[in-house]
Amino acid sequence: QSALTQPPSASGSPGQSVTISCTGTSGDVGGYDYVSWYQQYPGKAPKLMIYEVTKRPSGVPDRFSGSKSANTASLTVSGLQAEDEAVYYCSSYAAYKKLLFGGGTKLTVL
Amino acid sequence: EVQLVESGGGLVQPGGSRRVSCAVSGFMFRSHWMTWVRQAPGKGLEWVASINPDGGDTWYGDYLKGRFTISRDNAKNSLYLQMNSLRVEDTAVYYCTRDNLNARDLWGQGTLVTVSS
Repeated sequence: QSALTQPPSASGSPGQSVTISCTGTSGDVGGYDYVSWYQQYPGKAPKLMIYEVTKRPSGVPDRFSGSKSANTASLTVSGLQAEDEAVYYCSSYAAYKKLLFGGGTKLTVL
Repeated sequence: EVQLVESGGGLVQPGGSRRVSCAVSGFMFRSHWMTWVRQAPGKGLEWVASINPDGGDTWYGDYLKGRFTISRDNAKNSLYLQMNSLRVEDTAVYYCTRDNLNARDLWGQGTLVTVSS
């Protein structure tokens, strides 16, 4: 099963909004409301930022939001801050007992 | 304190075997699905395997072709990944994760397995 497709990079200036896409198929992203997003700093373990497409775990700033349309999920970071610079990964359940990750998007705060 | 602590990483020769472990504390281990995720050096995250609370249902990445086995011991609050017929491309940091909220909500610090001659 192929990985989900993410752009390799994204960027924005402090205070701006940036959206990262995650494209799959009807057998994964489009078929389940189980898309999650993870933030990873260099040398650190990933951290859950969004689950079930739109929900934020306790402690995650409301500047982070998630959405989905058809086979593409999106993570939007509003009011960009320097600390948001990291790699972001999407993930989705897939048919036949599978779990997929995207290739990751490096977010740069200019 | 909630903790997932992996161990067992190290250098292994191609074709060899290794078992990595994850010691869990601070939450009801026996109530959760658990998952192994790996990350090759400089690469992205890759799902390896998942296991249900009683160990009776396991899921695996297709690319593994039966080489890896996930298991758990609920009495010891521990998760395991037995890796056989290791290849150079299996070199990665292996993360133990808790499944919750239909996501991986807790991650260990990872253990590095290096496959090299």
